Amino acid sequence: EDKVVQSPLSLVVHEGDTVTLNCSYEVTNFRSLLWYKQEKKAPTFLFMLTSSGIEKKSGRLSSILDKKELFSILNITATQTGDSAIYLCAVSAGNMLTFGGGTRLMVKP
Amino acid sequence: DTEVTQTPKHLVMGMTNKKSLKCEQHMGHRAMYWYKQKAKKPPELMFVYSYEKLSINESVPSRFSPECPNSSLLNLHLHALQPEDSALYLCASSQDVLRRAGEQFFGPGTRLTVL
Repeated sequence: EDKVVQSPLSLVVHEGDTVTLNCSYEVTNFRSLLWYKQEKKAPTFLFMLTSSGIEKKSGRLSSILDKKELFSILNITATQTGDSAIYLCAVSAGNMLTFGGGTRLMVKP
Repeated sequence: DTEVTQTPKHLVMGMTNKKSLKCEQHMGHRAMYWYKQKAKKPPELMFVYSYEKLSINESVPSRFSPECPNSSLLNLHLHALQPEDSALYLCASSQDVLRRAGEQFFGPGTRLTVL
């Protein structure tokens, strides 16, 4: 059975801090790993990673995949209160997405 | 148009009611998905449509009945639901199922309450 595990479950930081969110996976027929941010409603797409060692960046967010060790990290630098959300990691295998349990991030002013 | 829309935003229904959730996308995506999300849990896949045909049914009870009238629309018909079916129902679409299944765009969801 495909499995995606995220850590930590929750995190509280102050504005300006840097955070690292972790995602490990065990899936067959791996195609890609995705990060989503979910606030009150739908998950919004952040990154899709398919190759090991290539960092993807978008503003203060960056992510990298290690296909040998089967994990990915999502970094957020200079956090802001607007970064408060649940961050979901999902792995695309075959024709389905398997989601991790999410990391709930709270950024305090 | 890079948006997935869902209606209604909120729905309250009794256990004997029949209602439908609607989802629409105009990105030319050929794969559409229904997910159910309970509070503090990740989305759980319910159904996958590929080229308007049902390709995955994740053992969902028959009181949930999906329908894909055309490549832009996806419906979820609800009948005789239980209170435990109360959840956020998310629709998503992707370019196709095989190569681009990962890059799914989600709609805002319908928050369903079953009394």
